[in-house]
Amino acid sequence: DIQMTQSPSSLSASVGDRVTITCRASQGITNSLAWFQQKPGKAPKCLIYAVSNLQTGVPSKFSGSGSGTDFTLTITNLQPEDFATYYCLQYNSYPRTFGQGTKVEIK
Amino acid sequence: EVQVLESGGGFVQPGGSLRLSCAASGFSVSTYDMSWLRQAPGKGLEWVSDISGNRVFYRDSVRGRFTISRDNSKNTLYLQMNSLRTEDTALYFCVANWIWGQGTLVTVSS
Repeated sequence: DIQMTQSPSSLSASVGDRVTITCRASQGITNSLAWFQQKPGKAPKCLIYAVSNLQTGVPSKFSGSGSGTDFTLTITNLQPEDFATYYCLQYNSYPRTFGQGTKVEIK
Repeated sequence: EVQVLESGGGFVQPGGSLRLSCAASGFSVSTYDMSWLRQAPGKGLEWVSDISGNRVFYRDSVRGRFTISRDNSKNTLYLQMNSLRTEDTALYFCVANWIWGQGTLVTVSS
């Protein structure tokens, strides 16, 4: 199985900040990497698929990058509605595997 | 608008069965690969099963107990869950083309 190591597990940031979350795969996953946002009590929402493709309706403040085994989600100009938990997912092979999640909290 | 709506969750004793349904709207279930994922209370996300064309895939812990299928005439995805265990307790989500439903809660307890 491919292990997805996501870091940090949590971070505190202020409104207006730029934050970066990383995911490292235990082996190469080509470009089969997606990012999800989940707010408390809500279903996850896809932000980015195929490393850097923004899902329809997702603002451009979210961006993804990376290749091979190392991937990054960047959020610019953090706003109150962005405080949530973020997960990466590899879908290069089965079983699909998620990162452990990053909780973005208000400083 | 593409939407999926799960149903069929509930409370069941260990060893029992449930069938989850995922009704699709705005698209045909035959068009996309479709997935079931789950989230145990207070935990992270976990992939459960995929159906892709005529192929099906399962995580090891549910293989042989869960069966994924779809009925194109009803435009619905299913997950038949047998021999349920306490560790199967979770909110189960249906996902198609990166669109998630709201989930249906499965509780397995004696």
